[in-house]
Amino acid sequence: GNSVTQMEGPVTLSEEAFLTINCTYTATGYPSLFWYVQYPGEGLQLLLKATKADDKGSNKGFEATYRKETTSFHLEKGSVQVSDSAVYFCALNGLTGGGNKLTFGTGTQLKVEL
Amino acid sequence: EPEVTQTPSHQVTQMGQEVILRCVPISNHLYFYWYRQILGQKVEFLVSFYNNEISEKSEIFDDQFSVERPDGSNFTLKIRSTKLEDSAMYFCASSEQGTGTDTQYFGPGTRLTVL
Repeated sequence: GNSVTQMEGPVTLSEEAFLTINCTYTATGYPSLFWYVQYPGEGLQLLLKATKADDKGSNKGFEATYRKETTSFHLEKGSVQVSDSAVYFCALNGLTGGGNKLTFGTGTQLKVEL
Repeated sequence: EPEVTQTPSHQVTQMGQEVILRCVPISNHLYFYWYRQILGQKVEFLVSFYNNEISEKSEIFDDQFSVERPDGSNFTLKIRSTKLEDSAMYFCASSEQGTGTDTQYFGPGTRLTVL
């Protein structure tokens, strides 16, 4: 079945540091890949997505590239801010079984300090 | 910007009681979903719903669970006889289309605590 593996957290960075959160996946066919973010006390918000190999999703300074050869979708940001502190979830949609559903990773908590 | 809303934000119930979690999807969306997240664990798919029918359900979604679209705006998840292990955050989501590339928009969640 489909699965997503994310790096363990929490990740603690200083403001303006470079961020990478690793995500790899296992799926049959050609899944779409997503990063969702959950700020404290809020629901899941779509951060970015990519729907085919070599696509780069980007939003709010974050970006991730769909790498089929390494089955990865790592999240990066060049300079994090305190306001980026949240939990980040990598997810895939393999569109199996006639419906469609997201398979999530465990989430990675990011803490950004001044 | 349109958003998915959920009520209540927190529900406390006794084991064996029935609960109904309510969601209002984005108005022009046709596909609806429920997910749950047990504390410290992954977000897990429960069920998808389209055209007044269940499209897909996970093995978690057993006979104690049911979903309904009682009117043109609400989408509900009923848990018939709650168990301790049903304690979790329940997220509703909706999407405009049912394709794998389409974005699912999530509500803020209902935290269910079963005592």
